[in-house]
Amino acid sequence: QQQVKQSPQSLIVQKGGISIINCAYENTAFDYFPWYQQFPGKGPALLIAIRPDVSEKKEGRFTISFNKSAKQFSLHIMDSQPGDSATYFCAASKGTYKYIFGTGTRLKVLA
Amino acid sequence: SAVISQKPSRDICQRGTSLTIQCQVDSQVTMMFWYRQQPGQSLTLIATANQGSEATYESGFVIDKFPISRPNLTFSTLTVSNMSPEDSSIYLCSVDLGAYGYTFGSGTRLTVV
Repeated sequence: QQQVKQSPQSLIVQKGGISIINCAYENTAFDYFPWYQQFPGKGPALLIAIRPDVSEKKEGRFTISFNKSAKQFSLHIMDSQPGDSATYFCAASKGTYKYIFGTGTRLKVLA
Repeated sequence: SAVISQKPSRDICQRGTSLTIQCQVDSQVTMMFWYRQQPGQSLTLIATANQGSEATYESGFVIDKFPISRPNLTFSTLTVSNMSPEDSSIYLCSVDLGAYGYTFGSGTRLTVV
């Protein structure tokens, strides 16, 4: 019930393409869903987050799509760039306390 | 958002020894969190540290192995005690900034030999 399942484990995308990472959760009490970006040797950094009262949130090239009935949410990176190459983690929490993190997706954007 | 300084950034330690990791935040925060990230794995919460009270440990983590101090609102330490190779991980401190979400330090990459 506390798990957040993330897929794919790794992803290779051509420059300019769309990167899509998916997450699924089970606990319907979760009400906060952030995405984090982590570069090698750095701590994760908050990228974008959504609450279940909206179905989509967009910030620049990054969009979260949220499907409450399916208990799924996804990150879309439009016009992917080599600088986007990093590991991405989804997470879920009740409030903003005790995040449950997904297993991570290693994204590589080819130049 | 807050700036978190974590020291050391990396260390190689002998099994059976202990390492203390320091986390300094540039603003006062109520809760600080310690996470472990095993190689190629996700982040797992070790414990939550509130100033002036005992840390709260997650299932699978115990105070004897991971003692935590929180002497004030800007500083915390995590000690990894009696280390074994299985403790080789990245250890991250984090603070909750509300609207800014969790902010993480750069982590301490620990290798136990």
